[in-house]
Amino acid sequence: GAGVSQSPSNKVTEKGKDVELRCDPISGHTALYWYRQRLGQGLEFLIYFQGNSAPDKSGLPSDRFSAERTGESVSTLTIQRTQQEDSAVYLCASRSDIDGNTIYFGEGSWLTVV
Amino acid sequence: AQKITQTQPGMFVQEKEAVTLDCTYDTSDQSYGLFWYKQPSSGEMIFLIYQGSYDEQNATEGRYSLNFQKARKSANLVISASQLGDSAMYFCAMREGWGAAGNKLTFGGGTRVLVKP
Repeated sequence: GAGVSQSPSNKVTEKGKDVELRCDPISGHTALYWYRQRLGQGLEFLIYFQGNSAPDKSGLPSDRFSAERTGESVSTLTIQRTQQEDSAVYLCASRSDIDGNTIYFGEGSWLTVV
Repeated sequence: AQKITQTQPGMFVQEKEAVTLDCTYDTSDQSYGLFWYKQPSSGEMIFLIYQGSYDEQNATEGRYSLNFQKARKSANLVISASQLGDSAMYFCAMREGWGAAGNKLTFGGGTRVLVKP
């Protein structure tokens, strides 16, 4: 597709369940980011992938959060044993190496933990 | 210390007037990039404008311009001739590093703009 694609767009889950969020970056973009945005707040950095380099996981809030990406393809953010404070929009973005000055965001995955 | 500070949590602007959104940043890197994004109520993040630390001219994109004052570490966004559709949250962000070596964007807390007819 032309833009960053995220799925699901909305997810309601019960506390304690695991969830997987998917991000399909723009084709050819080697850099991929995950951010979290709680209601009415700014964006919190979670994790960054750059090609085959080791990811920058410095923003992951706990060991319940993990993310994977194989090469320059799809990334999956997994939240285990979800808690109510995990309720947020999870935004994915990708960046081209050719034009590193523009970073495109997907429309986000809205997660609600009940 | 905050890397990106947006001191205006919210503001009103009259339609057709210009508005300036403040952003100050903190970095010791010589190479960095500054971004502004718009987030309407639908939640998507829309890229507006970019300024590189070595760019001597202020960036402009249509009705958006970035007032870059490097010595003051300031990167204010100016929206000219405001339209009702400009009502949204606006985020300033910084990427430290250069090209593919620079990684995460650090965001400010945002400024909510409401354009009045």
